[in-house]
Amino acid sequence: GAVVSQHPSWVICKSGTSVKIECRSLDFQATTMFWYRQFPKQSLMLMATSNEGSKATYEQGVEKDKFLINHASLTLSTLTVTSAHPEDSSFYICSARDRGGSKFSGANVLTFGAGSRLTVL
Amino acid sequence: AQSVTQPDIHITVSEGASLELRCNYSYGATPYLFWYVQSPGQGLQLLLKYFSGDTLVQGIKGFEAEFKRSQSSFNLRKPSVHWSDAAEYFCAVGSYNTDKLIFGTGTRLQVFP
Repeated sequence: GAVVSQHPSWVICKSGTSVKIECRSLDFQATTMFWYRQFPKQSLMLMATSNEGSKATYEQGVEKDKFLINHASLTLSTLTVTSAHPEDSSFYICSARDRGGSKFSGANVLTFGAGSRLTVL
Repeated sequence: AQSVTQPDIHITVSEGASLELRCNYSYGATPYLFWYVQSPGQGLQLLLKYFSGDTLVQGIKGFEAEFKRSQSSFNLRKPSVHWSDAAEYFCAVGSYNTDKLIFGTGTRLQVFP
């Protein structure tokens, strides 16, 4: 079945540094990828929609200059947390949609990665 | 406003007991409904989904869910819980013309032997 890989699975960084998280679709091509943020014991909040070859669409309240998203190929999207601060510590999860899935069944073919835990000291 | 409510934050059951996790939604369009399970430190695994048709849907791992439009509910059930079912369960809603899913706050299931 479809597999989405995230790397790194966990990362610790110092405040003020930038961290890049990768999301890869391993056995399918993903036109669209989604980035979520999950705080401890809370639900997933959609941060942005990453579209291959175009700019990401950010949800209201998400700082696009802080959370840089690049979707340069059909199998890779990256999320860069710039100038990270302790409040950015969270669990980041990506999901991807197989480009072969029609939009009318798009939610049907979303595959989630295992997540990346970011801790900013 | 579009939302998903999971009233139970934490549920504890004995192994072998039956389980029902509640989910209510508020959504402007015809809803597509999902249940996901998340093990500690892991991503989400789809248990089952409802798009249309039979309102009782079967999923993986012996789970089922019933869509009740009149009650705006999509409760998850399992007749006999196994210790390996201990995890966080999320209900989510979407629609036919979007990939965006709205998630509930989750229910943490603890299973005692």
